[in-house]
Amino acid sequence: EAGVAQSPRYKIIEKRQSVAFWCNPISGHATLYWYQQILGQGPKLLIQFQNNGVVDDSQLPKDRFSAERLKGVDSTLKIQPAKLEDSAVYLCASSLGVGGLDTQYFGPGTRLTVL
Amino acid sequence: DAKTTQPTSMDCAEGRAANLPCNHSTISGNEYVYWYRQIHSQGPQYIIHGLKNNETNEMASLIITEDRKSSTLILPHATLRDTAVYYCIVRVGNDYKLSFGAGTTVTVRA
Repeated sequence: EAGVAQSPRYKIIEKRQSVAFWCNPISGHATLYWYQQILGQGPKLLIQFQNNGVVDDSQLPKDRFSAERLKGVDSTLKIQPAKLEDSAVYLCASSLGVGGLDTQYFGPGTRLTVL
Repeated sequence: DAKTTQPTSMDCAEGRAANLPCNHSTISGNEYVYWYRQIHSQGPQYIIHGLKNNETNEMASLIITEDRKSSTLILPHATLRDTAVYYCIVRVGNDYKLSFGAGTTVTVRA
């Protein structure tokens, strides 16, 4: 079974530029998550989708971050404009979405460096 | 607000059991204990979870104290590939959210 795919794996941009990350979840998984992991810290949930609807985006900095999940499958996370403090690994995860004890499966992440 | 407390780091010898402690003194009756690990440059990986009873799978064992205020993850025969950051997380049974702390950095030495 293929895992969660993410691209690109690495991205370097200058502050005030825009960037987008892509995630393809495990086939059949209804729930998709984006996490931000700053160096030395655990991942922090940014947004959660159930199919193509947003369940929780309370931690998403909506003035600069946006995310969408078209057709309830792939998802993109965008930052516009980027700030230095956005340097982090952006992790995508997916789960079946059948109920509370769902196991979340994570992708390898995209490492973003903002100069 | 942290729900779990873990040591920052620990070492263990290859081939020996690694016992990773976690304190969760404010855990509620409907909260589960989950363990994930994150190997360098990879995303977190699910290990095991439990509510009250001890649990075992092919990766590890989870021992939860009777009062549920603490737990121990046991890697029975640690290998160099078990070197990772291990996260102990408490999670409400019907809540999808995983709240990661800083975890324990485990280094397995030959």
